[in-house]
Amino acid sequence: DAKTTQPPSMDCAEGRAANLPCNHSTISGNEYVYWYRQIHSQGPQYIIHGLKNNETNEMASLIITEDRKSSTLILPHATLRDTAVYYCIVRVRNQGGKLIFGQGTELSVKP
Amino acid sequence: GAVVSQHPSRVICKSGTSVKIECRSLDFQATTMFWYRQFPKQSLMLMATSNEGSKATYEQGVEKDKFLINHASLTLSTLTVTSAHPEDSSFYICSGRGGTDTQYFGPGTRLTVL
Repeated sequence: DAKTTQPPSMDCAEGRAANLPCNHSTISGNEYVYWYRQIHSQGPQYIIHGLKNNETNEMASLIITEDRKSSTLILPHATLRDTAVYYCIVRVRNQGGKLIFGQGTELSVKP
Repeated sequence: GAVVSQHPSRVICKSGTSVKIECRSLDFQATTMFWYRQFPKQSLMLMATSNEGSKATYEQGVEKDKFLINHASLTLSTLTVTSAHPEDSSFYICSGRGGTDTQYFGPGTRLTVL
């Protein structure tokens, strides 16, 4: 599975949009981009995934560049409860691909 | 999203004893289950993958005789840490993957070996 690169930490003001970048320049054509987050001392929580089109759900939006070498997770109105480590992972879907976690981005939402 | 539970949430045991952790998918059938370990201030590390009714596949460096995994049904997997030692103290997290091919994680089990 392709590796990803994320900034180790970011701050965001409460109520503002949080934009978390991820680079995956070696992504293969059949690899999806997944985002999970882990709040302290809890299991990871699934957020969203996509292949090449932008995706939106009740939690976040995922913007994938046209060349698929990078993506951005957007939390439109960050709250204090969004403070967590966010992981960007690429994996092959429907072929048993494993989720391998990198170091992620520690997002701190401040009042 | 789908729900995965783990039991116990926290366990303290003496060195040399064995500890069993249960992982259940509550509202979906998990054809594949995964076990991860997480040390303080580190990321999750995949330990093993198990398919229902089959032997688990362990990641390089993970001792299969020490970490026994059973995936006897589509909703239950267990991890047994045998002859636990203080260095096995960690946060153990399971996850399940079913028909949607999305992986959902349990809340984790904090193991402390004295």
